[in-house]
Amino acid sequence: DQQVKQNSPSLSVQEGRISILNCDYTNSMFDYFLWYKKYPAEGPTFLISISSIKDKNEDGRFTVFLNKSAKHLSLHIVPSQPGDSAVYFCAASARGNKLVFGAGTILRVKS
Amino acid sequence: EPEVTQTPSHQVTQMGQEVILRCVPISNHLYFYWYRQILGQKVEFLVSFYNNEISEKSEIFDDQFSVERPDGSNFTLKIRSTKLEDSAMYFCASRARTGPYEQYFGPGTRLTVT
Repeated sequence: DQQVKQNSPSLSVQEGRISILNCDYTNSMFDYFLWYKKYPAEGPTFLISISSIKDKNEDGRFTVFLNKSAKHLSLHIVPSQPGDSAVYFCAASARGNKLVFGAGTILRVKS
Repeated sequence: EPEVTQTPSHQVTQMGQEVILRCVPISNHLYFYWYRQILGQKVEFLVSFYNNEISEKSEIFDDQFSVERPDGSNFTLKIRSTKLEDSAMYFCASRARTGPYEQYFGPGTRLTVT
């Protein structure tokens, strides 16, 4: 069941540059999308979300873009910092119910 | 800042034993969830709980699993007879009744079944 896909297992970015993490989904019932950051042996930490009625949401260095026609969302982090190095999970929900997670993307920000 | 807490952080048990994983959700939240992550795999949904009853459960959540909110603060996951394949990180999450629909996760309990 691959309803939410993160096709890039890892991404390496130089400090100060933009990080772009991508996510695709297949279920048209999803109407809420979230990004979580996770460190080893810790729980997922909520970063930013977007409702399907919007196409962009911004919070500080983090911006999420949603393209409903392509069933694609992306997380932009700018400028990237070494402390951003972690695993980033995309998750989707229908009407606020269970979250369906992608496999995650390991982000490494090099100083 | 309010947070979800979980105990224990690590539980080692023998196959066939019962385990209870405990969670204290954020105090004004009304929806509660359990997820798990087997090493190297995705975070996967187990069960959601609202108004003192299960609102949704996954195929994984079979008769060996149960959840309970025994008082106004705790939320527990019980596995009656553990199997080797139950070894995983178990995460509790909670969210407020009304939107937005962010779920806030606890730090997890690492369950090791030997």
